[in-house]
Parts: sequence; C-alpha cells; structure tokens
Amino acid sequence: GAVVSQHPSWVICKSGTSVKIECRSLDFQATTMFWYRQFPKQSLMLMATSNEGSKATYEQGVEKDKFLINHASLTLSTLTVTSAHPEDSSFYICSARDSGRGPNNEQFFGPGTRLTVL
Amino acid sequence: SQQGEEDPQALSIQEGENATMNCSYKTSINNLQWYRQNSGRGLVHLILIRSNEREKHSGRLRVTLDTSKKSSSLLITASRAADTASYFCARGTGGYNKLIFGAGTRLAVHP
Repeated sequence: GAVVSQHPSWVICKSGTSVKIECRSLDFQATTMFWYRQFPKQSLMLMATSNEGSKATYEQGVEKDKFLINHASLTLSTLTVTSAHPEDSSFYICSARDSGRGPNNEQFFGPGTRLTVL
Repeated sequence: SQQGEEDPQALSIQEGENATMNCSYKTSINNLQWYRQNSGRGLVHLILIRSNEREKHSGRLRVTLDTSKKSSSLLITASRAADTASYFCARGTGGYNKLIFGAGTRLAVHP
C-alpha cells in the first residue's frame, strides 16, 4: 500500500507555544487529507477534512483557530496547534487518500505524532 | 458523539479460539472499514467492505455487513497471541469518504 509519513513522531513543548505537525504522502497524490486526534485508551476522533488548495472543513466542536490546517500541495498537509495547553496533549494521526478515485478507495494512515504539552 | 457503537469493549480469549467483534452505526455509509491498532502505534488497515457487499474474507478475517440493521461484524478465526490489539470499525461517509470510528474493542489473546 501507499505510504504516509508524519513529522515529528513525538514532540514535547511548553504551554503557550505553537507546534506544527507535517503529514506527507510519499508515493501518491493525496487530494484529500484527514486529521484525527486520539486520547489514551480512546478511539480516533476526526478533527477536519482538508482538500488541496481549499480551506479545511472542521468537525463540530473543533476550533479552527486553534488547529490550523494547511494543505498547500498534493503531498503535504500541516496541522498547527496554536497556543498549546496541557489538554491538547494527544496522539495526532493524519490520513490521506486520492479522492479522485471515488469513495471506496482506501485511506492511508500516518504513524501518528505524540504531542505532550507541559 | 462521532463514534458509533462497538461491542464488546474488551474481549479476552485463548489462542486458537475465534474472536467476534460487532459494530453498529446510524447513518448511511459508502463503506465500512476495520482497522487494528497495537498499543500506542499507528493504524493497520484490515478490510474495506462496500455498502453493496455482504461478506468479505481476508486470510483469517471475515467481515459481514448488514445495511438493513446498520451493523457489521469482524471475525478472527484461530486467534494467535499476536492478534492482541485494539480493533476499530470506521464508517466511510460523504463525498470525501471521511471515516468515523467506533469506540473500539480491546482484544487480548492469551497463549
């Protein structure tokens, strides 16, 4: 299957700082990328859907000014957690798919980024 | 809540036994997907079953889909200790097929 990478794999930051997480599709064009958050021992919660060249669509309850998403190219999406606080500590996972292939093709998931805010 | 229902929340079995996990949802779907996740790690895609399919197999995995009952099940036959993980169903919905995950089942397979 196709490969999706995330960078960094883990990050520790101080409260109040901003953290940028990158999601890259390495061998396919990802017209659509998704960002998820997973708290310990819980399931994945979809945060937003981003399409290349357009604004992201955020799920209900997700603050768009807090979680800035940029999908500037067909292989890269970034999630910036602004003014991070300890409650933002979580496992952030991205996924990518070629939405031009229809709804039934697979999404490919990145390995995740563990964010710890002190 | 985004999450659909998944049961059981936890399942503990012996090696060689079969494990069945169930998933229910409320809205229409394009497809239903099952994923596995080892503790603290990324997701592994197991099977995608389309809304017009009823059953799908992959190795020791068997997935069924009943759209009239809005439910799906994942059966792992002849389980192994290495199958120990969390299993999630995810319904694909909308034009971009965004995935909405169920709460997950923690499977423990004892040698």
